[in-house]
Amino acid sequence: AQSVAQPEDQVNVAEGNPLTVKCTYSVSGNPYLFWYVQYPNRGLQFLLKYITGDNLVKGSYGFEAEFNKSQTSFHLKKPSALVSDSALYFCAVRDMNRDDKIIFGKGTRLHILP
Amino acid sequence: DVKVTQSSRYLVKRTGEKVFLECVQDMDHENMFWYRQDPGLGLRLIYFSYDVKMKEKGDIPEGYSVSREKKERFSLILESASTNQTSMYLCASSGGEPSTDTQYFGPGTRLTVL
Repeated sequence: AQSVAQPEDQVNVAEGNPLTVKCTYSVSGNPYLFWYVQYPNRGLQFLLKYITGDNLVKGSYGFEAEFNKSQTSFHLKKPSALVSDSALYFCAVRDMNRDDKIIFGKGTRLHILP
Repeated sequence: DVKVTQSSRYLVKRTGEKVFLECVQDMDHENMFWYRQDPGLGLRLIYFSYDVKMKEKGDIPEGYSVSREKKERFSLILESASTNQTSMYLCASSGGEPSTDTQYFGPGTRLTVL
C-alpha cells in the first residue's frame, strides 16, 4: 500500500538552530512528494514539492527538502529556525494506485523555542 | 493569488441536523477536494471532484455527500449530523494535473455537533 509517515509527532528546536522535520514514504512508481504547513487557525499552505529533477528542492520561507530515493525519505530542513516557523507540518505523496490522489501524513508539530 | 473561501469558520449544529459546508474558489480550478482534519490522524479525503457535475468518493465518504453544480463551488453535505462528525473541515482546489499540482486550501470550518 502507498503510504507516507512522519515519525515524530512533535519537534522542538531552539531559535537560530537548524531544523529537520522527517518524512518517509512507500510508493510504487515515481514518487511525487509535497510539504505543506499549517499556521494556527489557518488552512494549509504549500511549501515545496518534488516531482522530478534535482534532489534538493527549495521552497517558501527559506525551507528546503532533500529527496533521497535509497532511504525513501523527503525530510524538510531549514538552516536557521525562527519562532514564526512554529506550526504544523504535513508531508504528502501521490498515491498512483488510487487515481493519483494525494495522501497526507499525520503531521508534525514544530515548536521553535526563543 | 488563489483564494479559496469557506462559508463559515465555526459552526455548531445538533445531532440529526442537515449541514451544508460551502467552498468557493476564484481561480477557475478544475479540481476540488474536501478533507477532514483530526488530531493524530492528519488529513483524510472525504470527496473530490475533477469537473463540474463530477464527484468521486475519497477515503471516508460515509455520512457525507457533495454537490458541484458550478465550477467554482463545491459543497459538502452532512445528511444527518452525528457527534463523530465533529471536526475541522478543509476545502482545497488545484488547477492542473491532480497528482502534481499544488493544492490551495481554504481557512477551514470547525464543526461541532452536539
